[in-house]
Amino acid sequence: QVQLVQSGAEVKKPGSSVKVSCKASGDTFSRYIISWVRQAPGQGLEWMGMIIPIIGITNSTQKFQGRVTITADKSTSTAYMELSSLGSEDTAVYYCVGQRGNRVPEYWGQGTLVTVSS
Amino acid sequence: DIQMTQSPFSLSASVGDRVTITCRASQGISNYLGWFQQKPGKAPKSLIYAASSLQSGVPSRFSGSGSGTDFTLTINSLQPEDFATYYCQQYYSYPHNFGQGTKLEVK
Repeated sequence: QVQLVQSGAEVKKPGSSVKVSCKASGDTFSRYIISWVRQAPGQGLEWMGMIIPIIGITNSTQKFQGRVTITADKSTSTAYMELSSLGSEDTAVYYCVGQRGNRVPEYWGQGTLVTVSS
Repeated sequence: DIQMTQSPFSLSASVGDRVTITCRASQGISNYLGWFQQKPGKAPKSLIYAASSLQSGVPSRFSGSGSGTDFTLTINSLQPEDFATYYCQQYYSYPHNFGQGTKLEVK
């Protein structure tokens, strides 16, 4: 099974961008779909988007379209989520989640806290 | 988009109780439904996949049922470590939306 390790916490200014990485190990990266989920303080889980690294297909919710860019580097088994035009409402823990085929998305990274503050 | 409606929002129970959480999809999702447990400061943990299959290592007091639009998570004989927040998630179609969560608290 895959293990996902995310990059460290970030503090960003309003209007800037953040790029979070998610490095996979323990299994073949190309077997997985990687999704991004965020959780604002005290709130529930919000699915943001996904990538199929082996073919580069991405999908994101309408809420984030135009602001989120999800990419993957097969050579380093790393997925990335970049969110632009940050506002205070983007302060959250961001998780990457691995899913094999049409199975449940069950392999979670440890989360990356992104704080947006002036 | 498929919306997931989870209830109740919160639940108070005692050790040894049996509790049930429900999740309703706005359209049919077959059995592409997962249940997750989340404890404070931790990533969610997968408990149930395909609506009723228990993940390896998850205690048998947890069970899931349902198909189509209506699903339930049941926890028999609550243990102290079960007090947490529970989420359902559909993975039938994108976006893979979650329910709002159910916070299970000690009565």
